[in-house]
Amino acid sequence: GAVVSQHPSWVICKSGTSVKIECRSLDFQATTMFWYRQFPKQSLMLMATSNEGSKATYEQGVEKDKFLINHASLTLSTLTVTSAHPEDSSFYICSARDSGRGVNQPQHFGDGTRLSIL
Amino acid sequence: KQEVTQIPAALSVPEGENLVLNCSFTDSAIYNLQWFRQDPGKGLTSLLLIQSSQREQTSGRLNASLDKSSGRSTLYIAASQPGDSATYLCAVRPRSGGGADGLTFGKGTHLIIQP
Repeated sequence: GAVVSQHPSWVICKSGTSVKIECRSLDFQATTMFWYRQFPKQSLMLMATSNEGSKATYEQGVEKDKFLINHASLTLSTLTVTSAHPEDSSFYICSARDSGRGVNQPQHFGDGTRLSIL
Repeated sequence: KQEVTQIPAALSVPEGENLVLNCSFTDSAIYNLQWFRQDPGKGLTSLLLIQSSQREQTSGRLNASLDKSSGRSTLYIAASQPGDSATYLCAVRPRSGGGADGLTFGKGTHLIIQP
C-alpha cells in the first residue's frame, strides 16, 4: 500500500532554533501534499497545501514566513518552522495523495513529528 | 465553513460488544469522507473512505455509512477487541474549485475496549 515517511519523529530544541521536517511518499508520486498540526486534545488542523514546483497555499491564520514549505520533487515536501518558540510545540503531520490515481483517492499520512520547544 | 463533530468524545465498552461511532458535518458539499484510527503519539491509519456518491463501505469488522444530505456518517465496529482501542477520527474532503483541498477533521472518539 501507499506509504508516507515523515522524519524526524521527535524533536526537542531550544527556543529560536529552526526545525525542518521531511515528508516523503515512498511508492507513489504526489503533486500535492498537506501539512497539519494537532494540539493536545484538539483535532488536526490543516496548515497548508504543498504544491510541487509552485508556492504553497496557506490556511487563514498560518504565517507563511514562519512555516516555510518546499515541494521540490514529486516525492518530497519539507516544512521548516523558523525561529521556533514554545507556542509552536505541537504534533505536525503530513499527508499525500497519489496523483496518478485521480482526485478521489484517500490521503495517506505519515507518522507525525512531535516538536517540543524549550 | 465546514465543521465536523464526533459523538461521543469517549467510549469504554467490554470486549465483544458491537458499537457505533457518530460523525456529523455541516456542509454536504464534499468529495468524500474518511475514517481514520490514531494510536497514542502516532500518525493516522486510514480505515475506510466513502465517496460522496456511496452509502457505505465495509472492511472486515468495520462498516461505515454516509448520509450526505443529512451530513452524517457512522462507523460500526462489530465484535470489538482490546486491540481496537484507539482514537477514531472522521474527516471530510470539502468540494471546491481546485480539487486539491485538505481534510477537515473532527476531534475524534477515544475508544477503550475492556478485556
